[in-house]
Amino acid sequence: ETGVTQSPTHLIKTRGQQVTLRCSSQSGHNTVSWYQQALGQGPQFIFQYYREEENGRGNFPPRFSGLQFPNYSSELNVNALELDDSALYLCASSSYREAFFGQGTRLTVV
Amino acid sequence: DQQVKQNSPSLSVQEGRISILNCDYTNSMFDYFLWYKKYPAEGPTFLISISSIKDKNEDGRFTVFLNKSAKHLSLHIVPSQPGDSAVYFCAATGSDEKLTFGTGTRLTIIP
Repeated sequence: ETGVTQSPTHLIKTRGQQVTLRCSSQSGHNTVSWYQQALGQGPQFIFQYYREEENGRGNFPPRFSGLQFPNYSSELNVNALELDDSALYLCASSSYREAFFGQGTRLTVV
Repeated sequence: DQQVKQNSPSLSVQEGRISILNCDYTNSMFDYFLWYKKYPAEGPTFLISISSIKDKNEDGRFTVFLNKSAKHLSLHIVPSQPGDSAVYFCAATGSDEKLTFGTGTRLTIIP
């Protein structure tokens, strides 16, 4: 049990739609990161938030955006969904360089 | 450009024997390395980590070895148990605390 919870666990969306994924991070962790894991691949870094500010971004287009709230919970928003956005989206909260992951949200774009 | 590589997609080991999972990296800025275990439909679970100032870290049945000159690390599991069957990811990070993952090794423990 990592203390990191994500919602929803599964989601089906149509191409072109927008989606919001949510993450409640572990108490005391002020850094949250989002990762995308495609089938058969390792997780790929999307972006990181530290104290409500974006603190690093991976190689993802601007239609991937995020927020971190004062209670350190976080959202990942994806606009104009594409079929290739189908993946497992993982949220991680970190402290002292060790990241703890939630169970993920499985997004399917049809 | 894959900065963290796990060249063995799968590994089968007899129960009770040693499992050795390998990982190579290319980025010299990485100074902290982690191993995660992942079951289907779950998020990765942190197993063990090692700082670049060490060459070995041990936690129960799990030991991670780091060879900085070779840019290579390995995870040893002794003795292997059926519950260890999962996908194992190696990850590396630098001062930015962004994790770069390998593609994973599927470990199967044979009873």
